[in-house]
Amino acid sequence: AQSVTQLGSHVSVSEGALVLLRCNYSSSVPPYLFWYVQYPNQGLQLLLKYTSAATLVKGINGFEAEFKKSETSFHLTKPSAHMSDAAEYFCAVSDDGGYQKVTFGTGTKLQVIP
Amino acid sequence: DTAVSQTPKYLVTQMGNDKSIKCEQNLGHDTMYWYKQDSKKFLKIMFSYNNKELIINETVPNRFSPKSPDKAHLNLHINSLELGDSAVYFCASSDRTGGTDTQYFGPGTRLTVL
Repeated sequence: AQSVTQLGSHVSVSEGALVLLRCNYSSSVPPYLFWYVQYPNQGLQLLLKYTSAATLVKGINGFEAEFKKSETSFHLTKPSAHMSDAAEYFCAVSDDGGYQKVTFGTGTKLQVIP
Repeated sequence: DTAVSQTPKYLVTQMGNDKSIKCEQNLGHDTMYWYKQDSKKFLKIMFSYNNKELIINETVPNRFSPKSPDKAHLNLHINSLELGDSAVYFCASSDRTGGTDTQYFGPGTRLTVL
């Protein structure tokens, strides 16, 4: 069974500070891992994904995430937060069993303080 | 051009009514999904169709019935609506043959049952 755990339902950072959103996964097979962002009153948008190529994945809007198998982690980072980064962020995992069932974490709400 | 569209965007109705939500994707994807996002932002898969065939059917009351007339459309019909059905419902699509599991989400339908 696959699952993800996002540590911290709310994270606050100052504008210009480092953003770090934590995600740990559990999967019985090599996983596909995703980060999605949800802006208020909108659907989810893919930020980046890991599909067993490079362990450091770069996404849109300056975000990146590093896959660490030994730690079963896939934390999302951004060097300098912008006000426009305020949103809900979801980590997700999918095994490659063919049915593309994606399991989402409970989300982390990022607040950016001016 | 909208990739995944849903109608209506807002739906307010009384308990006991029957309602439908429509979803269309113009990405040429072969797999479509319905998710329910509750008030705590928890996102849970309900159904998935691949080329009009049901492949994921989570534990969902049988008052919920998906219908896929073709691979570009996946509608959700809900009978005898209950207060607990109030949520945001998201449609998504992906390209199973592409094998990357990336899902593209619609803007959501906010259902309020009074």
